[in-house]
Amino acid sequence: GAVVSQHPSWVICKSGTSVKIECRSLDFQATTMFWYRQFPKQSLMLMATSNEGSKATYEQGVEKDKFLINHASLTLSTLTVTSAHPEDSSFYICSARELSPSGANVLTFGAGSRLTVL
Amino acid sequence: QQPVQSPQAVILREGEDAVINCSSSKALYSVHWYRQKHGEAPVFLMILLKGGEQKGHEKISASFNEKKQQSSLYLTASQLSYSGTYFCGTPRVISNFGNEKLTFGTGTRLTIIP
Repeated sequence: GAVVSQHPSWVICKSGTSVKIECRSLDFQATTMFWYRQFPKQSLMLMATSNEGSKATYEQGVEKDKFLINHASLTLSTLTVTSAHPEDSSFYICSARELSPSGANVLTFGAGSRLTVL
Repeated sequence: QQPVQSPQAVILREGEDAVINCSSSKALYSVHWYRQKHGEAPVFLMILLKGGEQKGHEKISASFNEKKQQSSLYLTASQLSYSGTYFCGTPRVISNFGNEKLTFGTGTRLTIIP
């Protein structure tokens, strides 16, 4: 099956710094990737849709300038949390869609990146 | 709006059965089910595409009632490995790229004890 690699798996940074998270599709091309955010014991909340070769589309309430998304190739999407603050601490998960045998799109997730901002 | 799952949490002894429900306030095109273990990424279990469809994967099966805008996940003779948080996901169709965004349900935490 499809494999999505996410790096780093965890990162600790100081308030005010920027952090970049990478999401790679290892054995398939992903024109679209999705970035989710998950707080402890809560559900996954879609932040944005990353589209190869074009601008990302953000969900309502997600700051575009805060969470920069770049999808420069068919196998790589990056999320940069700019000027991070403690409230940005969370579990960030990327996913790529894969076509199932039934013809429907299913999501394959990366292992997630736990960000802690001090 | 986020689909609502019930129960929020359930504790079972190994070998017992459980039912997890997912209800949406909007029309459902399909329903996806995922399981997430603590600190890990969600793993795809199954997708139901048509109202009335039922599917099974080992001892985990699901049904989809399109009219009632709900789906149920059935776990029979539960095993320790079934522990985790289960999420249903319902797609919103994006017309521009033909992709599907998933909105995940509120989640159900399942704990299996020996």
